[in-house]
Amino acid sequence: AQTVTQSQPEMSVQEAETVTLSCTYDTSESDYYLFWYKQPPSRQMILVIRQEAYKQQNATENRFSVNFQKAAKSFSLKISDSQLGDAAMYFCAYGRLWEKLTFGTGTRLTIIP
Amino acid sequence: DTGVSQNPRHKITKRGQNVTFRCDPISEHNRLYWYRQTLGQGPEFLTYFQNEAQLEKSRLLSDRFSAERPKGSFSTLEIQRTEQGDSAMYLCASSLAGGTEKETQYFGPGTRLLVL
Repeated sequence: AQTVTQSQPEMSVQEAETVTLSCTYDTSESDYYLFWYKQPPSRQMILVIRQEAYKQQNATENRFSVNFQKAAKSFSLKISDSQLGDAAMYFCAYGRLWEKLTFGTGTRLTIIP
Repeated sequence: DTGVSQNPRHKITKRGQNVTFRCDPISEHNRLYWYRQTLGQGPEFLTYFQNEAQLEKSRLLSDRFSAERPKGSFSTLEIQRTEQGDSAMYLCASSLAGGTEKETQYFGPGTRLLVL
């Protein structure tokens, strides 16, 4: 069975600084997708960034980028120029094409003004 | 695109009662997923549909839980004889499988259930 581990229950960062959230996963599959979802307080979960396992190039979306290490089964999220609106729970998730997602336990990110 | 909607947003019930939740996916999406999220945890998969066919059910989905998607559009999740352990946020997500859109599940706001 696939598992996703987020070892940082909480993180904080000064506004405008850079923060990295960690995620490791375990799977025997070679073709899969990895995701970072953001869940603001009392609001719905939204996709931040996705990575296809067959792509060597790390995904980027504006201030968000990932460091995908397939051999190490590691998938970290870097947030640059942190903003107050980035405060949320961040979930790392694993999934195969169009199938269920397996989520980690989340990292609560606090932005310090 | 109105997004995924879920009703009700909150439900308080007494132990032993039955409850039903509804999810309306994004209109053209053919896959619909149900997850459960307890406090401080990530969402856990319950079941998912391709159109009206239920393709997979988690072991978490006991006999008291049933989900349907009768016409391949909206879905309902029913919990019979609720227990206090059923208290959680129930999330619905949808995606378009087989289309040109990248694999992305879009989530609704969830239904928060409290069983007293």
